[in-house]
Amino acid sequence: QKEVEQNSGPLSVPEGAIASLNCTYSDRGSQSFFWYRQYSGKSPELIMSIYSNGDKEDGRFTAQLNKASQYVSLLIRDSQPSDSATYLCAVGFLGTASKLTFGTGTRLQVTL
Amino acid sequence: KAGVTQTPRYLIKTRGQQVTLSCSPISGHRSVSWYQQTPGQGLQFLFEYFSETQRNKGNFPGRFSGRQFSNSRSEMNVSTLELGDSALYLCASSQGGTGGNSPLHFGNGTRLTVT
Repeated sequence: QKEVEQNSGPLSVPEGAIASLNCTYSDRGSQSFFWYRQYSGKSPELIMSIYSNGDKEDGRFTAQLNKASQYVSLLIRDSQPSDSATYLCAVGFLGTASKLTFGTGTRLQVTL
Repeated sequence: KAGVTQTPRYLIKTRGQQVTLSCSPISGHRSVSWYQQTPGQGLQFLFEYFSETQRNKGNFPGRFSGRQFSNSRSEMNVSTLELGDSALYLCASSQGGTGGNSPLHFGNGTRLTVT
């Protein structure tokens, strides 16, 4: 069983719609959760970080964390073609902040 | 502020050779981490250096090593290259706190091809 699981996609949504990306993790002791966006041929770029249960909003992005269900999600409102990328979920521990376990990513396609 | 700089961008080596990759972190960042990215395995943690000391290590063989200098710049070395070492090697820097409020910032990576 992979430690961090994501649906590889592609997830296709029309422009202006809400894209919902999901991630589950196996280590119940995980404490820090991140979403990175990676364009083809580029390096990962941090989108959101979340550490406590509930929702965290930043512009068009909302991260949701449910530690009881070991589930973290990313919602992208008003999706734009420029949002088309692979979204990586990463999980870690506060004591080892740089040692993250990444999922293999979900490819998002926003169609016109 | 300049971002994380990795050199070289591309490398082609043959099996059995060794290679050294370089990373300059964001100014003021004391932690440098290295990750390997392959299509099949995704991003995997190699190791982290903080204040010239290896602080964390992933599950990679001893052929993979690194070091950090007093100016926080870091190098990663892979000896006795194997075909399976072909990957994108990403360096990430952070301020280095052990709390969660020190997210990683990635460089553009070094694409290593082993033939």
